[in-house]
Amino acid sequence: NAGVMQNPRHLVRRRGQEARLRCSPMKGHSHVYWYRQLPEEGLKFMVYLQKENIIDESGMPKERFSAEFPKEGPSILRIQQVVRGDSAAYFCASSDQGASYNEQFFGPGTRLTVL
Amino acid sequence: KQEVTQIPAALSVPEGENLVLNCSFTDSAIYNLQWFRQDPGKGLTSLLLIQSSQREQTSGRLNASLDKSSGRSTLYIAASQPGDSATYLCAVKGGTSGSRLTFGEGTQLTVNP
Repeated sequence: NAGVMQNPRHLVRRRGQEARLRCSPMKGHSHVYWYRQLPEEGLKFMVYLQKENIIDESGMPKERFSAEFPKEGPSILRIQQVVRGDSAAYFCASSDQGASYNEQFFGPGTRLTVL
Repeated sequence: KQEVTQIPAALSVPEGENLVLNCSFTDSAIYNLQWFRQDPGKGLTSLLLIQSSQREQTSGRLNASLDKSSGRSTLYIAASQPGDSATYLCAVKGGTSGSRLTFGEGTQLTVNP
């Protein structure tokens, strides 16, 4: 039973390029959360998605960032026109329900470096 | 807005010592609290999950307690080992933050042989 998978594990982009980060939740999980960990900082919530729906995007920067979780396939976090300040570790978590008591299981993260 | 604070920010102890890491949160209306371990450059490993109706959870040498009314949790590590060296993160779910997890800044633990 595979855990949460993220790819790529490491991503290098030049300023102005696009970054696409992928997250495959655990089997049977339909709720996905994205978190960002900036260098020397704690993890911050970005967005919560259920299949084909964005439930809570209050932690997403207003520009350049978008997320989706289609009916088929992984969840995608997309960053357009990356800047050096986007360099961070991006973690995805999944749960089988959005219920209050459900545990979130984390993936290994994608480490984005913007040159 | 939920805020989570972890004290101390860093801790260095000799091998074999028992130690306590502290976590406090401002909104006591949480659903659950989770302790994680993070090794440098790595992902998060879940250690213990305490539901709001529970007072403590134990796993091996680890024991976590929860006092919702005072907004506090402690992680107790018995007989520490060099392999315990890592950053320990506390995260709460619920209250004004809904389904998201709100993380503390972490305690960086070093256990010296």
